[in-house]
Amino acid sequence: GENVEQHPSTLSVQEGDSAVIKCTYSDSASNYFPWYKQELGKGPQLIIDIRSNVGEKKDQRIAVTLNKTAKHFSLHITETQPEDSAVYFCAASKIQGAQKLVFGQGTRLTINP
Amino acid sequence: DAMVIQNPRYQVTQFGKPVTLSCSQTLNHNVMYWYQQKSSQAPKLLFHYYDKDFNNEADTPDNFQSRRPNTSFCFLDIRSPGLGDAAMYLCATSRARTGRWETQYFGPGTRLLVL
Repeated sequence: GENVEQHPSTLSVQEGDSAVIKCTYSDSASNYFPWYKQELGKGPQLIIDIRSNVGEKKDQRIAVTLNKTAKHFSLHITETQPEDSAVYFCAASKIQGAQKLVFGQGTRLTINP
Repeated sequence: DAMVIQNPRYQVTQFGKPVTLSCSQTLNHNVMYWYQQKSSQAPKLLFHYYDKDFNNEADTPDNFQSRRPNTSFCFLDIRSPGLGDAAMYLCATSRARTGRWETQYFGPGTRLLVL
């Protein structure tokens, strides 16, 4: 089955700097890669996703890149703000009816003012 | 507006005492999922309903069961909770369409404590 590795497990950056979180996946048939943000005591919230037919996607300060050959994808957050502090999860799945997400281990991002 | 609602938000049960967690959705999505998330870990899929069809993950213990009486509601039953079942339980929904890519929405979770 699919296995998703996520690094780093913790990341601390100064406010205004950029943050990068990386994930690798094992199943070459996976074709959907969402990123979720989870704040303390809350459920995960989708922040951006990318399909396997796209190499890069950007939404304001957030961007995701996908390298299908190397089977890795990354989340980039620019101009970080204190409210970006949370746990971020990458995930992978195959779109075959249901979306059976396999999550990475999570990255705790802390933005220092 | 709440889209995926979970009740209760916190549940305390005793070792071995059956417990039911509830999920409802206002999105009219045809797929509903249950994930288990232990402290400082990633969510792990337990099972999902695709319409009325139940799909269990291979490594989900028999102690966990689910019911979906209608499109809007889905229940997670833990028949005999053990201390190791203490976790956050997340419900999620998505719309499955052939050839379409749909977002999976999560509820706020129910934190289960087993005494």
